[in-house]
Amino acid sequence: EDQVTQSPEALRLQEGESSSLNCSYTVSGLRGLFWYRQDPGKGPEFLFTLYSAGEEKEKERLKATLTKKESFLHITAPKPEDSATYLCAVRGGRYNTDKLIFGTGTRLQVFP
Amino acid sequence: DAGVTQSPTHLIKTRGQQVTLRCSPKSGHDTVSWYQQALGQGPQFIFQYYEEEERQRGNFPDRFSGHQFPNYSSELNVNALLLGDSALYLCASSLNYEQYFGPGTRLTVT
Repeated sequence: EDQVTQSPEALRLQEGESSSLNCSYTVSGLRGLFWYRQDPGKGPEFLFTLYSAGEEKEKERLKATLTKKESFLHITAPKPEDSATYLCAVRGGRYNTDKLIFGTGTRLQVFP
Repeated sequence: DAGVTQSPTHLIKTRGQQVTLRCSPKSGHDTVSWYQQALGQGPQFIFQYYEEEERQRGNFPDRFSGHQFPNYSSELNVNALLLGDSALYLCASSLNYEQYFGPGTRLTVT
């Protein structure tokens, strides 16, 4: 069964304290891994798409990487405004669908 | 360039009632997907519309139905509301593979 698992569930960081969020996936025929940021009560905001193992994408303090089994979202020197839930999703699977399968997210809090 | 818009923002309904949610896609996008997000969970895929047809469907009962109009906007209809239908309903539009989400409609069923 296609599945996405994110860890940790919650992460508290001091401002400037770098860390990584993990997204493990099981899907046959991966056709994209997506990272989103979601603020409370709002819709997910698109961050990155990764398609193949070894691929990396960067945006400001965020860097996403992909292997054949997992993806990492590295946050370098985070600021309080980076506090949000980060969602990982995959597209692919046995029936070659377009639907996104999401994990439950990592809730990040950055304290000044 | 307006992103994905949804209406209404919030909605309160009673068990057994019916509800219609609306979505306008990002300019240039032709595909609309709907997701349900319960508190503390990731979004769950309901269905996707392309060229005014339902192209794919997730594990949701027939009480959930939808429509796409010639201008690519879409509606989600839910009949015979249950308490468990309370959630944030998200619309996402896409042209190729990257889906962009709207702000969502918060539905509360009492």
